Amino acid sequence: DQQVKQNSPSLSVQEGRISILNCDYTNSMFDYFLWYKKYPAEGPTFLISISSIKDKNEDGRFTVFLNKSAKHLSLHIVPSQPGDSAVYFCAASLNFGNEKLTFGTGTRLTIIP
Amino acid sequence: ETGVTQSPTHLIKTRGQQVTLRCSSQSGHNTVSWYQQALGQGPQFIFQYYREEENGRGNFPPRFSGLQFPNYSSELNVNALELDDSALYLCASSLGTAGSYEQYFGPGTRLTVT
Repeated sequence: DQQVKQNSPSLSVQEGRISILNCDYTNSMFDYFLWYKKYPAEGPTFLISISSIKDKNEDGRFTVFLNKSAKHLSLHIVPSQPGDSAVYFCAASLNFGNEKLTFGTGTRLTIIP
Repeated sequence: ETGVTQSPTHLIKTRGQQVTLRCSSQSGHNTVSWYQQALGQGPQFIFQYYREEENGRGNFPPRFSGLQFPNYSSELNVNALELDDSALYLCASSLGTAGSYEQYFGPGTRLTVT
C-alpha cells in the first residue's frame, strides 16, 4: 500500500523557470511533510518541511504548498538552477512518538541549461 | 561536526549468508533509523533505535535485526540473505524520535545478493 505517491518519475525544466514537483498521500493521520533531495552516491538531504497546520512554507527559492483536503502537496523551485538536478523525495510522518518517515518513489528533476 | 557515515560502501554476498552493516550517527544524535531503498523506489523504514532500544519497526521480517551502542552508533544485521535483499541501505540519525526532528542520512551501503 503506497501511502505517499509521486506520480511523475521524471521532470525536465529550463534553467530559470519554475519547477513544480507533486506528491499525493492517502493516510489522513500524517501531519508532517518533508521534501528530500538526493544526488547520486549520497544520502537524501533535507530540503524543506511543512506542518499540517500550515498551507505554505517558504525557504529561499523553495516553497512547499499543502492542500489537506486534497491530500496533496507540491514543491516549487524558482528560479530553477542546474544544481537543482537531483531526485526529489516527498516524505510524511506523524509529528510525535517514534513515527517513521514514509517516502514516495521520487521524481528525477533535470534542469536544462 | 562529523556527519553520518556508513560502512562498507559496497558489499556482495551470496544467498543464505549473513551481513552486518554499520552506521556512525552525527555527533550528539541519540536516534538512528534504518531504511532499505530498492532500485527505483523510495526508502522504506526498517526500524529505529533510541538510546539503545528498538523504538519502532516497519514491515520487515525478524531476520532483519539491529543494535545501537552507548555511543549511539548502530548496526543492521540481516540473516539468511535473499535475492530481494539487494538494495541500498540507508541509516539516518536525529536528535529525537518525533517526525519533526530532521533526519540526517548517510551515503548508504549498496548490498548485492547473488
